[in-house]
Amino acid sequence: ELKVEQNPLFLSMQEGKNYTIYCNYSTTSDRLYWYRQDPGKSLESLFVLLSNGAVKQEGRLMASLDTKARLSTLHITAAVHDLSATYFCAVLMYSGGGADGLTFGKGTHLIIQP
Amino acid sequence: ETGVTQSPTHLIKTRGQQVTLRCSSQSGHNTVSWYQQALGQGPQFIFQYYREEENGRGNFPPRFSGLQFPNYSSELNVNALELDDSALYLCASSLVGGGLTDTQYFGPGTRLTVL
Repeated sequence: ELKVEQNPLFLSMQEGKNYTIYCNYSTTSDRLYWYRQDPGKSLESLFVLLSNGAVKQEGRLMASLDTKARLSTLHITAAVHDLSATYFCAVLMYSGGGADGLTFGKGTHLIIQP
Repeated sequence: ETGVTQSPTHLIKTRGQQVTLRCSSQSGHNTVSWYQQALGQGPQFIFQYYREEENGRGNFPPRFSGLQFPNYSSELNVNALELDDSALYLCASSLVGGGLTDTQYFGPGTRLTVL
């Protein structure tokens, strides 16, 4: 059974600081995704990482993937208040009959204080 | 481009009742997946529909069932509602077979409360 673990689950940080969220998964994966969720809202796709060593950046967020270590990171640079949200990593595995669903971590609840 | 839409937004039911939730996929997408998100948790995969057939299922009992229609929209049906079914139900659409990255795009969700 595929398991996805994120840490930390809760993070309070100050504006202007850097931090990293970690996502470990238990078995070989085909794709890894990062999503953002604001309170009471749906999930917004941030990044999809397809291969070992993949790195993607959008603004102050950068995601990377190490398939050998089964580890993805989401790095926040010079945090701003607008980045406060819950961040989920999710892993996709294909079964013989077609694509399976995403397996999500529990999420990292990020609060960025002025 | 039209995004993923879901209806209704909120729903209150009592134990033992049945409920139907609806989802319209994003334009150009052919696959719909349904997820259940309990408060404070990550979404859990219920099942996926492709070409009007169930194409994968998570660890949910048979009282959770679904349909996909020729226009790729979908329904999630839950029979014999239990208190633990209270959650946000998310629909996600994606394009399978097009050689793209197959990212799933989520709708706004239906908040179901079972009393």
